[in-house]
Amino acid sequence: QKEVEQDPGPLSVPEGAIVSLNCTYSNSAFQYFMWYRQYSRKGPELLMYTYSSGNKEDGRFTAQVDKSSKYISLFIRDSQPSDSATYLCAMTLDLAGGTSYGKLTFGQGTILTVHP
Amino acid sequence: DTAVSQTPKYLVTQMGNDKSIKCEQNLGHDTMYWYKQDSKKFLKIMFSYNNKELIINETVPNRFSPKSPDKAHLNLHINSLELGDSAVYFCASSQDHRGSPSYFGPGTRLTVT
Repeated sequence: QKEVEQDPGPLSVPEGAIVSLNCTYSNSAFQYFMWYRQYSRKGPELLMYTYSSGNKEDGRFTAQVDKSSKYISLFIRDSQPSDSATYLCAMTLDLAGGTSYGKLTFGQGTILTVHP
Repeated sequence: DTAVSQTPKYLVTQMGNDKSIKCEQNLGHDTMYWYKQDSKKFLKIMFSYNNKELIINETVPNRFSPKSPDKAHLNLHINSLELGDSAVYFCASSQDHRGSPSYFGPGTRLTVT
């Protein structure tokens, strides 16, 4: 079993839809949770970053972490064709100054297509 | 200005050759990483350096040797390339003590024929 499970999709939605992307994980010691967006043939770009449980909102994006269920989500409101990309969840035990040196464990990514 | 840069962007080479990939970050970060992304887009850490010192080596074959001449640079040298080494290699960096997550470079697409 992988440490981080993410449905690879692909997920296809119409423009304007609310998109929900999810990851589950098995290691309860994970404390920091990230969402990266990766366009085709580009590097992962940090979208959202949260610590421990709770919600964080940034524009059209909302990240949720439920540590009790070992479940994280990314919601995209009013989705746009420019949101079409692969979305990667990632998590780490601690950040670069900690004992795991910020090593990220990734899900396998969900391919999202938003069509006009 | 590009925060994390890598060269080359594409690398096509034959089995058995030796090749290097270079990475530079201008963010002033202390920690740098190499990640490998396979054909299924799965990203996995290979190495991490903190202030030029190797701190993570994730059971990568000895043919892969990272080198950090200073804390802004982390290079990856690969000896005796094999077909299975074909992948996209990403450099990333992160800052100690400020709670910063990792920022990634644009990737180097390595194809071994």
